Amino acid sequence: DGGITQSPKYLFRKEGQNVTLSCEQNLNHDAMYWYRQDPGQGLRLIYYSQIVNDFQKGDIAEGYSVSREKKESFPLTVTSAQKNPTAFYLCASSPTGLESPLHFGNGTRLTVT
Amino acid sequence: GEDVEQSLFLSVREGDSSVINCTYTDSSSTYLYWYKQEPGAGLQLLTYIFSNMDMKQDQRLTVLLNKKDKHLSLRIADTQTGDSAIYFCAPAETGGYQKVTFGIGTKLQVIP
Repeated sequence: DGGITQSPKYLFRKEGQNVTLSCEQNLNHDAMYWYRQDPGQGLRLIYYSQIVNDFQKGDIAEGYSVSREKKESFPLTVTSAQKNPTAFYLCASSPTGLESPLHFGNGTRLTVT
Repeated sequence: GEDVEQSLFLSVREGDSSVINCTYTDSSSTYLYWYKQEPGAGLQLLTYIFSNMDMKQDQRLTVLLNKKDKHLSLRIADTQTGDSAIYFCAPAETGGYQKVTFGIGTKLQVIP
């Protein structure tokens, strides 16, 4: 079955450490996205990528970095510069074109203490 | 940018209909999506409507779009306990990538 795999489901880190969240898709989608979800808030876009080796900042990119070396993979690094990194992180992908809804992974809950 | 508003909470009895409402500001949205999120999980696409339609029915789900008032609603007929979740309204501009704006979500509680 095609889908998006995010790992790990739960992640714990100490303040000051960088951490990388994994996102893999086998849907053959061109575009991939990272969102952050905080309690009582909608999803906010961190980064997106429309094609391999290219990515763009979303609304809240500060303190995060991404890479897109392969079509299937779009890892997100939460750096020590991110002031409030504890959150639920969701990866999504979509085909390009008009009728192209986002497909989501099951998320990674990151806790930084 | 786009602003999307939804009520925070809705409680219904099992078997009744649920109606979740959403208003948005950007008239250039091409598609308007409804997503469902269960606790600790990702978002699952429920249904969507193209902006030149005013209604779409998909089994127990009915989407109504009033483009003039920028109002979208999702009706769930015969609501079941398994429908308890958070529902997100998400207007999107499409192109090379999906520029999607999410509301804060409406938490639907179904009482047995």
